[in-house]
Amino acid sequence: DADVTQTPRNRITKTGKRIMLECSQTKGHDRMYWYRQDPGLGLRLIYYSFDVKDINKGEISDGYSVSRQAQAKFSLSLESAIPNQTALYFCATSDQTAVGQPQHFGDGTRLSIL
Amino acid sequence: AQSVTQLGSHVSVSEGALVLLRCNYSSSVPPYLFWYVQYPNQGLQLLLKYTSAATLVKGINGFEAEFKKSETSFHLTKPSAHMSDAAEYFCAVSAKGTSYGKLTFGQGTILTVHP
Repeated sequence: DADVTQTPRNRITKTGKRIMLECSQTKGHDRMYWYRQDPGLGLRLIYYSFDVKDINKGEISDGYSVSRQAQAKFSLSLESAIPNQTALYFCATSDQTAVGQPQHFGDGTRLSIL
Repeated sequence: AQSVTQLGSHVSVSEGALVLLRCNYSSSVPPYLFWYVQYPNQGLQLLLKYTSAATLVKGINGFEAEFKKSETSFHLTKPSAHMSDAAEYFCAVSAKGTSYGKLTFGQGTILTVHP
């Protein structure tokens, strides 16, 4: 089983719909992140969370919200989807017990908004 | 603020040839540096990382990278390309002293390997 699981893997929806992307992890990490990937732009940080009570905006948080339901679960919501939110979304986790730790990524959710 | 530039959005090599993927960073102090690889329909997988130990870092699948402070670079190399190396590669930095390990990614380089 994957350490970082994202659901769904693919989603097609219409403009104006509310969408939730879910992420769960079995790595026991406190830190979790949501990114979006667009061709030629790399990955950009949407939100990140240090623990259940600590949630922070990333560089492109407008139009998104998150919920950290438990240490292992971190959900990303698009309140009213628009076509330019069509992208590949990744969840990641990292260990805070030592500096310089890498992030561990899920397999992504490919989201298309028509 | 830190930033990462990957020179060349596409690199094409022949099987058996040297692979060189370029990464330059901008940071007030030498950061932590990472290379990730993304195969089609998969997430990012860590290739290697630099955390201020040896400047030449060896990673998985025969890749290595050298940290050069004077050039603010962290280029990724592999002596002999395999067809299985075809993927997209991302360089990323994390500033020292931050408490949350935030990563800033480069734009990515797509590596194509020809037979």
